[in-house]
Amino acid sequence: AQTVTQSQPEMSVQEAETVTLSCTYDTSESDYYLFWYKQPPSRQMILVIRQEAYKQQNATENRFSVNFQKAAKSFSLKISDSQLGDAAMYFCAYRIPLGTDKLIFGTGTRLQVFP
Amino acid sequence: EPEVTQTPSHQVTQMGQEVILRCVPISNHLYFYWYRQILGQKVEFLVSFYNNEISEKSEIFDDQFSVERPDGSNFTLKIRSTKLEDSAMYFCASKRGGSYNEQFFGPGTRLTVL
Repeated sequence: AQTVTQSQPEMSVQEAETVTLSCTYDTSESDYYLFWYKQPPSRQMILVIRQEAYKQQNATENRFSVNFQKAAKSFSLKISDSQLGDAAMYFCAYRIPLGTDKLIFGTGTRLQVFP
Repeated sequence: EPEVTQTPSHQVTQMGQEVILRCVPISNHLYFYWYRQILGQKVEFLVSFYNNEISEKSEIFDDQFSVERPDGSNFTLKIRSTKLEDSAMYFCASKRGGSYNEQFFGPGTRLTVL
């Protein structure tokens, strides 16, 4: 069965600093997608970044980048130059590009950003 | 930018009552989903819906649950006889066709069963 694990329930970072959120997953599939979603308080989840498993290059989106280690089944999110607006719940998620494309989520990491 | 919307934002109900949670997906999307998150736990897949029928459902989605797209714009989740353990945040999502496209989520409905 596919599972996603986020071992850090809460993290905090000072404004302008860098923080890394961890995620590991378990799957026997060779083709899959990994995601980080951000959920600000009382707002919907929005996609931050995605990584296709077949791509060796780590995905980046502005201040957000991932460290994808396929053999270790690890997918961490690095947020550089943290801003107050980055404070949110962050969910790591996985899906395979077949069938209904359902997402499998981790339990989330709450990120606090201090000025 | 188009968004998925959900109503109500918070629903309080008595155990045993029926509830209907409503979602308006993005208009050109073809696939629809419901997920739920019990407080402090992970977001869990409930059901996916395509071409006016359920395409996949989880073991959570038992006979007490049903989904419907009654009018081509709304997508509803009905819980026939709510239990205390149905208290959770329910998220609707939608996506265009194609496995590469991503799901867009609504803000959720918090269901409290007393």
